[in-house]
Amino acid sequence: AQSVTQLGSHVSVSEGALVLLRCNYSSSVPPYLFWYVQYPNQGLQLLLKYTSAATLVKGINGFEAEFKKSETSFHLTKPSAHMSDAAEYYCAVSDRGSTLGRLYFGRGTQLTVWP
Amino acid sequence: DAGVIQSPRHEVTEMGQEVTLRCKPISGHNSLFWYRQTMMRGLELLIYFNNNVPIDDSGMPEDRFSAKMPNASFSTLKIQPSEPRDSAVYFCASSLLGGLGTDTQYFGPGTRLTVL
Repeated sequence: AQSVTQLGSHVSVSEGALVLLRCNYSSSVPPYLFWYVQYPNQGLQLLLKYTSAATLVKGINGFEAEFKKSETSFHLTKPSAHMSDAAEYYCAVSDRGSTLGRLYFGRGTQLTVWP
Repeated sequence: DAGVIQSPRHEVTEMGQEVTLRCKPISGHNSLFWYRQTMMRGLELLIYFNNNVPIDDSGMPEDRFSAKMPNASFSTLKIQPSEPRDSAVYFCASSLLGGLGTDTQYFGPGTRLTVL
């Protein structure tokens, strides 16, 4: 079964600072990778996903993530944090070629942005 | 599109009562997922359906939980009898399969269940 590890259950940054949220996967065959965001009292929504040869993926709200096969990582970054970025962020993976659509989620990282 | 619709948004019930959560997936989507979210355990997949057929229910915690999908536009998650430890936020998500693993899941707003 797929496994996803998000290092750091809580990350705090100041407004304007770099945001870095870490995600590592365990599969020997590189899976497809996703980042979802959950704002308070809402469901999860897709931020970005890696599904092709382009290893740097740009998503909504200025976020991007880079797939590094050698490090089995898919870290999420944003150059300058905004107060509105405060949310829970989930990394997820799926199996290449799967027809089932299942996602395997990490435990999530709570991002706090200080003024 | 209205997105994934869940009802009720909040449910407060007493231990021992039956609880039914409802989900309407996005029209045309052929896969549906039920998740449970708690502080202690995070986001857990309970069960998922492809074309109305349950594929994997290994995440259902115990026999008190059951889920059905009688047609492509409706699913229910039932807890009978409910217990305080079932208190959580329950999410429904749907996706349109065909991307061989690249498909995006679209989540509903969730049902916050409190069992007293």
